[in-house]
Amino acid sequence: EEQLVESGGGLVQPGWSLRLSCATSGISFTNYWMAWVRQTPGKGLEWVATIDVDGREKFYLDSVKGRFTVSRDNAKNSLFLQMNSVRVDDTAVYYCAREAHSSFDYWGQGSLVTVSS
Amino acid sequence: EILMTQSPATLSVSPGQRATLSCRASQSISNKLAWYQQKPGQAPRLLISGASTRATGIPARFSGSGSGTEFTLTISSLQSEDFGVYYCQQYKNWPPMYTFGQGTTLEIK
Repeated sequence: EEQLVESGGGLVQPGWSLRLSCATSGISFTNYWMAWVRQTPGKGLEWVATIDVDGREKFYLDSVKGRFTVSRDNAKNSLFLQMNSVRVDDTAVYYCAREAHSSFDYWGQGSLVTVSS
Repeated sequence: EILMTQSPATLSVSPGQRATLSCRASQSISNKLAWYQQKPGQAPRLLISGASTRATGIPARFSGSGSGTEFTLTISSLQSEDFGVYYCQQYKNWPPMYTFGQGTTLEIK
């Protein structure tokens, strides 16, 4: 069974840090680019970051550049998102997703991040 | 940034009828378009990529068409399980700067 399971979400104060993890199983991980996509009621779905197969190339939404860092551990079939200096408008459900030719063919169930004082 | 605009915002269709959802890009994206279905409390599910190629396991009643700036998702004979929110996504940009439409809510009449 294909599974992507996010963890690490929660309530944090503005300016704090948070690290999201995504453990995958049952899917090919090491040969695929991976991504983080977030969703809010107000802004809908929003792509956040993408990482290539070996972690050398990383791409980010402009509003998170310099604050978020995507990484992966191919030995553990896992994806990560380090979120620093979080802001209220980073509040969202964060999904990890596998990229297949730039569309997203597998998604996790999502992890809620709430940024509030 | 390429803006994606979906219409209508909400669509009510009776079972067995055809549903047609539209997506417009603010500039040409060739066929670099995907469609997703999302049900409450669930992650999005890929339906169509490359504007017209069904993803694995997606029923044949779902079809996608279009290129350039105008795209359509058609559900030929609506089933009760097809309710949900449908999103389009473009992936033309390089380096990646993927954007989604705001969604069309499909209600079963």
